[in-house]
Amino acid sequence: KNEVEQSPQNLTAQEGEFITINCSYSVGISALHWLQQHPGGGIVSLFMLSSGKKKHGRLIATINIQEKHSSLHITASHPRDSAVYICAVALYNTDKLIFGTGTRLQVFP
Amino acid sequence: KAGVTQTPRYLIKTRGQQVTLSCSPISGHRSVSWYQQTPGQGLQFLFEYFSETQRNKGNFPGRFSGRQFSNSRSEMNVSTLELGDSALYLCASSTGQGAWDTEAFFGQGTRLTVV
Repeated sequence: KNEVEQSPQNLTAQEGEFITINCSYSVGISALHWLQQHPGGGIVSLFMLSSGKKKHGRLIATINIQEKHSSLHITASHPRDSAVYICAVALYNTDKLIFGTGTRLQVFP
Repeated sequence: KAGVTQTPRYLIKTRGQQVTLSCSPISGHRSVSWYQQTPGQGLQFLFEYFSETQRNKGNFPGRFSGRQFSNSRSEMNVSTLELGDSALYLCASSTGQGAWDTEAFFGQGTRLTVV
């Protein structure tokens, strides 16, 4: 079993829909990161979380440390949100990173 | 402000050869980390440098090595290339001592194909 699991693997949505991507992990962490990767490879760091909730524009990320679970929400989705979203955890005490396998999101107009 | 620059963008090498990839971080960033991305394994952490010192290393064979220079530029080297080393190699830089203590900024990657 992977230490970081993401669901769903693939997601298709219509423009305007509310999107949720989930990340569960089984290890002790110091922080969790959400990344966005567009076709062509470029990766952008979206959020770094160690507790609670963060919001940036239409993106909201939450983490529940006790349940070892994080969610990334996209409100009013847009075709430009189409990308692969990757969850990564920094292992407690080592800061080594483990990545989830990613969620491929396609938003159609 | 220039972003993270990786060179070359694309590379084709033959099995058994060695390769050196370069990463120039954002000016002022002293932490550089490297990652391998393949369709089968996804993103995997390779190593992390801060002020010319390797802070962390992922689970890769000794054929994979790296270094960081006094100007924070970093190189990674893969010796005795195998077909399975074909991947997108990404580097990221940040201001923090740890690669992910603060926001990390990624380069566009070097796509290595081993034939």
